[in-house]
Amino acid sequence: AQSVAQPEDQVNVAEGNPLTVKCTYSVSGNPYLFWYVQYPNRGLQFLLKYITGDNLVKGSYGFEAEFNKSQTSFHLKKPSALVSDSALYFCAQGVGSARQLTFGSGTQLTVLP
Amino acid sequence: EAQVTQNPRYLITVTGKKLTVTCSQNMNHEYMSWYRQDPGLGLRQIYYSMNVEVTDKGDVPEGYKVSRKEKRNFPLILESPSPNQTSLYFCASSLFSNTEAFFGQGTRLTVV
Repeated sequence: AQSVAQPEDQVNVAEGNPLTVKCTYSVSGNPYLFWYVQYPNRGLQFLLKYITGDNLVKGSYGFEAEFNKSQTSFHLKKPSALVSDSALYFCAQGVGSARQLTFGSGTQLTVLP
Repeated sequence: EAQVTQNPRYLITVTGKKLTVTCSQNMNHEYMSWYRQDPGLGLRQIYYSMNVEVTDKGDVPEGYKVSRKEKRNFPLILESPSPNQTSLYFCASSLFSNTEAFFGQGTRLTVV
């Protein structure tokens, strides 16, 4: 069975500093990976995805993620955090022809002014 | 405007009283799914549908039913709700299972 781990429930970072939100996935075939963001009282919004190709994926709002097959990781990064980036972030994994999508438990990012 | 619409947004009901949460998308997407979100557990997939009349169980299907009679609609049915189904529910649609998903606004369900 697929599994996605987000080891940090909470990440705090100062505005202007780089941020990283961690995600590791289970090894099973060729995974496709997503990052979604959830603002309070809203549904999830797509940030970026990896299927194949370049290990560095660029997404919305200046976010990017690095796929690392040897470490089975897909960490979300941004060079300079904004207060408006404060939200709940979810990593998700699907595999090959599988139809199911598995989400991590979420990481609450707080950017401090 | 491309969107996924869920109704109702909030619902309080009593144990055992059948209810339906509706979900509709206007993007002609093939893939639709239902999730529940609980604190510390993230989103867990309840059911998904690859296309009309094609549905399958996700990770937590017990106590739920779905149907996909039309491409745009994917209702979630709780035949006999119980308090452990109190949760925040999201419907999502995407062109395929490995493409960007669009989520509804969520339905906060309380079963007393």
